[in-house]
Amino acid sequence: NAGVTQTPKFQVLKTGQSMTLQCAQDMNHNSMYWYRQDPGMGLRLIYYSASEGTTDKGEVPNGYNVSRLNKREFSLRLESAAPSQTSVYFCASRALAGAGEQYFGPGTRLTVT
Amino acid sequence: EDQVTQSPEALRLQEGESSSLNCSYTVSGLRGLFWYRQDPGKGPEFLFTLYSAGEEKEKERLKATLTKKESFLHITAPKPEDSATYLCAVLNTGNQFYFGTGTSLTVIP
Repeated sequence: NAGVTQTPKFQVLKTGQSMTLQCAQDMNHNSMYWYRQDPGMGLRLIYYSASEGTTDKGEVPNGYNVSRLNKREFSLRLESAAPSQTSVYFCASRALAGAGEQYFGPGTRLTVT
Repeated sequence: EDQVTQSPEALRLQEGESSSLNCSYTVSGLRGLFWYRQDPGKGPEFLFTLYSAGEEKEKERLKATLTKKESFLHITAPKPEDSATYLCAVLNTGNQFYFGTGTSLTVIP
């Protein structure tokens, strides 16, 4: 079991470029999440998917879009990157939307210049 | 607004010197409180879930406790390998998670 995997591990973008962060889980979990982690601010929720076919905004959704491709995969897209999106991005999954803990991937460190 | 505050921000301990980390929370209906460990450059690793006041969970040198206002992570006789950042999170009845900013623990041999 790989758990939650994320690609890429590191990425540097120029302002205005676009990219997609990929996330996959092999635990047959229903819910998936995207967070960003910035120094002194804790983990903040960008978007989540309670179940396959649904997505909802979290605390900081502006500038991002998501796609729940299937039960295993949940991608995060930056359409026009900005320096304020420099951060570490974590994907997480959870067995059920209403209960239990989240399991996190290893993260993607993104720098926007 | 729901929020989580962790203290201290950083803690340095000698190997074997026991201590506690604090997680204070304000939440509109607690459905669960979670502790995670995060090593540098890695994702958070799940440690414990607590659901109601008075509940306790233990794993090796770690013990988590919960009251109606706060949770403590007690570390007994820590070792250098316990050095990490420890994160606390709450889940409210609206199914939203809120994370604290963490306590960075360093255990000196």
